Amino acid sequence: KNEVEQSPQNLTAQEGEFITINCSYSVGISALHWLQQHPGGGIVSLFMLSSGKKKHGRLIATINIQEKHSSLHITASHPRDSAVYICAVRSGRAGNQFYFGTGTSLTVIP
Amino acid sequence: NAGVTQTPKFRILKIGQSMTLQCTQDMNHNYMYWYRQDPGMGLKLIYYSVGAGITDKGEVPNGYNVSRSTTEDFPLRLELAAPSQTSVYFCASVGGSGVRNSPLHFGNGTRLTVT
Repeated sequence: KNEVEQSPQNLTAQEGEFITINCSYSVGISALHWLQQHPGGGIVSLFMLSSGKKKHGRLIATINIQEKHSSLHITASHPRDSAVYICAVRSGRAGNQFYFGTGTSLTVIP
Repeated sequence: NAGVTQTPKFRILKIGQSMTLQCTQDMNHNYMYWYRQDPGMGLKLIYYSVGAGITDKGEVPNGYNVSRSTTEDFPLRLELAAPSQTSVYFCASVGGSGVRNSPLHFGNGTRLTVT
């Protein structure tokens, strides 16, 4: 079993739709990160969370530490949001290793 | 700040050749990582370092070596390249876990093909 599970694996939405990507993890963490990777591109950090909720523009990320669950929401989705979204957790153990989900591939259709 | 600088962007190697992927960060981060990303798969940890002079194996270290002589640099060495090492490689860095607001920074990746 993977330490980090994401759902859905693939998601297609019409422009303007509200999108939710879910992430569950099974290890103790010091922080959870949401990352974005455009096709053929690099990986950029969207959010780092250790509790509660964060908002940046149309993106909102929440985390429930007790339930070991996080969600990434995109409001008023746009074709430029098409990318792979990756959930990563930073282990609280020595070495501070990261565990990654396999990503959610989002396609937003105009 | 340049962040994490990774070179080269692309490389084609013949089987048995060797090469070094360079990674430099200018954020004074202690933790640095090398990952490989295969199509449809998540990032797999090759090696990591918690500070200068300290390195350790990750999930898939075979065929690779690293060194960390300075805080800034964390090169990845491929010896005797094999087709199974065809992948996209990412270097990443992050501040200490006591630094609450420390995002994970990635280099732009190296697309390596071994033929």
